[in-house]
Amino acid sequence: QVQLQQSGPGLMKPSQTLLLTCAISGDSVSGNSVAWNWIRRSPSRGLEWLGRTYYRSKWYDNYAMSVKSRVSISPDTSKNQFSLQLNSVTPEDTAVYYCARYWDTVATLDYWGQGILVTVSS
Amino acid sequence: IVLTQSPGTLSLSPGEGATLSCRASQTLTTDFLAWYQQRPGQAPRLLIYRASIRATGIPDRFRGSGSGADFTLTISRLEPEDFAVYYCQHYDHSRHTFGQGTILEIK
Repeated sequence: QVQLQQSGPGLMKPSQTLLLTCAISGDSVSGNSVAWNWIRRSPSRGLEWLGRTYYRSKWYDNYAMSVKSRVSISPDTSKNQFSLQLNSVTPEDTAVYYCARYWDTVATLDYWGQGILVTVSS
Repeated sequence: IVLTQSPGTLSLSPGEGATLSCRASQTLTTDFLAWYQQRPGQAPRLLIYRASIRATGIPDRFRGSGSGADFTLTISRLEPEDFAVYYCQHYDHSRHTFGQGTILEIK
């Protein structure tokens, strides 16, 4: 059974850098048929996919155009986890952030973390 | 691709059937269309993948159908725990797109 455990701050100030971590159990961050994603949900934007990282003989990443200039998603193989870094946050980045696994066989996001509410406020 | 879900809110009683729609702004070239259920305070839960395949542990009251640009989630014999928000989602060109959601509420 795959489990994803998220950690990170709940309150940020504008212009700070958000760092969230997703610890994986029951699978490997380096798996060849999976990808590791970050998604957020806000009242104004609904569910918004932010990006992913995955390993296929080497590491790759993809990002949503809406955050591409500010976001980085990276793996940590020693801890079997991956992280989201979002720079220069604004109140528009206030949302519940989720990590999730994509599995090739189902071609969608099948396991999700519990979610973390991140509030950006001065 | 933009996914538009309808209706925005659906008010029904337990025991009734529900039909939720998801329309894509262009014909999907794959069947990579999924449906999720989200209850308050919980993460989205995968119900249906590849348009019509139930995920592990999902009761057969949930049925996904459709192709091209029109997809449907049908829930028969609504149970109290089915009242939640439902999202459709498409995966293509290395990104995921979500519909805005349908709220299924108790009448």
